[in-house]
Amino acid sequence: DQQVKQNSPSLSVQEGRISILNCDYTNSMFDYFLWYKKYPAEGPTFLISISSIKDKNEDGRFTVFLNKSAKHLSLHIVPSQPGDSAVYFCAASVSGNTGKLIFGQGTTLQVKP
Amino acid sequence: NAGVMQNPRHLVRRRGQEARLRCSPMKGHSHVYWYRQLPEEGLKFMVYLQKENIIDESGMPKERFSAEFPKEGPSILRIQQVVRGDSAAYFCASSLTTGPNEKLFFGSGTQLSVL
Repeated sequence: DQQVKQNSPSLSVQEGRISILNCDYTNSMFDYFLWYKKYPAEGPTFLISISSIKDKNEDGRFTVFLNKSAKHLSLHIVPSQPGDSAVYFCAASVSGNTGKLIFGQGTTLQVKP
Repeated sequence: NAGVMQNPRHLVRRRGQEARLRCSPMKGHSHVYWYRQLPEEGLKFMVYLQKENIIDESGMPKERFSAEFPKEGPSILRIQQVVRGDSAAYFCASSLTTGPNEKLFFGSGTQLSVL
């Protein structure tokens, strides 16, 4: 059972435009959500997170939106840059299960110059 | 300013051999996590260890897999009698504490290939 789903395997956008990556989850116990970015041959690096008590968190060009009623979150990157090209993983956890993150399958983002 | 160090980066084993994967957490981190990524899938939690203790091994296969984090030295993920289905990227992560919103720092992974 896939508790965290990223239904778009890939996304291609033009440099300077907005990238929107989506993630759905099924477990209503999840209360903390994260996005990780992964380059080839490297480990995932933390990008941004959001607690379930919020519906938006912003960090520079990156904003994460959480819609708890729809069990949906999204990552917005604006403006997109070629260096943003990577695989993006959505992850979720339940408080108390520290370190036990449930990851989605990932979305490969390509930003074209 | 070393991050999480994993070695080897690539490991090739024949079916039936043993694989030993090593992970040195970030300096000052005493919490270590192992994740596995199969092709075309996301990372899946395997085990969470603190120094000398296994805290949560709910994601570990019941047979052939074991993990340790001794008082001195790196954490070791050991896979006995490897099979082709064990071929995957194995990532180690560490954290400073275990707060509810603790950030995990990942190593670059070990790519295990079983021939």
